[in-house]
Amino acid sequence: GEDVEQSLFLSVREGDSSVINCTYTDSSSTYLYWYKQEPGAGLQLLTYIFSNMDMKQDQRLTVLLNKKDKHLSLRIADTQTGDSAIYFCAESINNQGGKLIFGQGTELSVKP
Amino acid sequence: SQTIHQWPATLVQPVGSPLSLECTVEGTSNPNLYWYRQAAGRGLQLLFYSVGIGQISSEVPQNLSASRPQDRQFILSSKKLLLSDSGFYLCAWSRDTNTGELFFGEGSRLTVL
Repeated sequence: GEDVEQSLFLSVREGDSSVINCTYTDSSSTYLYWYKQEPGAGLQLLTYIFSNMDMKQDQRLTVLLNKKDKHLSLRIADTQTGDSAIYFCAESINNQGGKLIFGQGTELSVKP
Repeated sequence: SQTIHQWPATLVQPVGSPLSLECTVEGTSNPNLYWYRQAAGRGLQLLFYSVGIGQISSEVPQNLSASRPQDRQFILSSKKLLLSDSGFYLCAWSRDTNTGELFFGEGSRLTVL
């Protein structure tokens, strides 16, 4: 079945770049997503990438997609303490819209 | 603008007691609605989704049920809670079924003792 894998923790210094990696299994996914969860709160969509793209940039965020290796990454430039949160990679179940499979989430800790 | 509300935010219930979590969406019509559960291990699992009033699809067999009595209301229920039902329950809505752009509520934390 479909699966999404992420490392559980990442620690960086304020001002450095953060790179969060994800691997997925369902090559039919039209979109791949990054969600952010702050402590005790729901998830918020950060960005997404269409499967025919290799890269998408949105201000401090850069998403890279390697379809051959089924690898997705999220780079946060100039990481700030306010970026500390859990970041989830997700793909659609059988390419069905909001029915998403989420990774376990990567907890990003930003140290001043 | 659209908003989504869940309640209660926190709930502590004994094993065997019933459960009702409610979710409402405002500012949109005919949304697709979802219940996800986030267990202690952090991963989210899709429990139910609905594309319209009275239309519920269950993704995993379990002790829970869902209902959609009105267009913008989604309810998660159980007749008898189990310890394993503890977790963080998230309601979400989307505009259509083509994208995974979900808008999540703030969540309801359920502890079953």
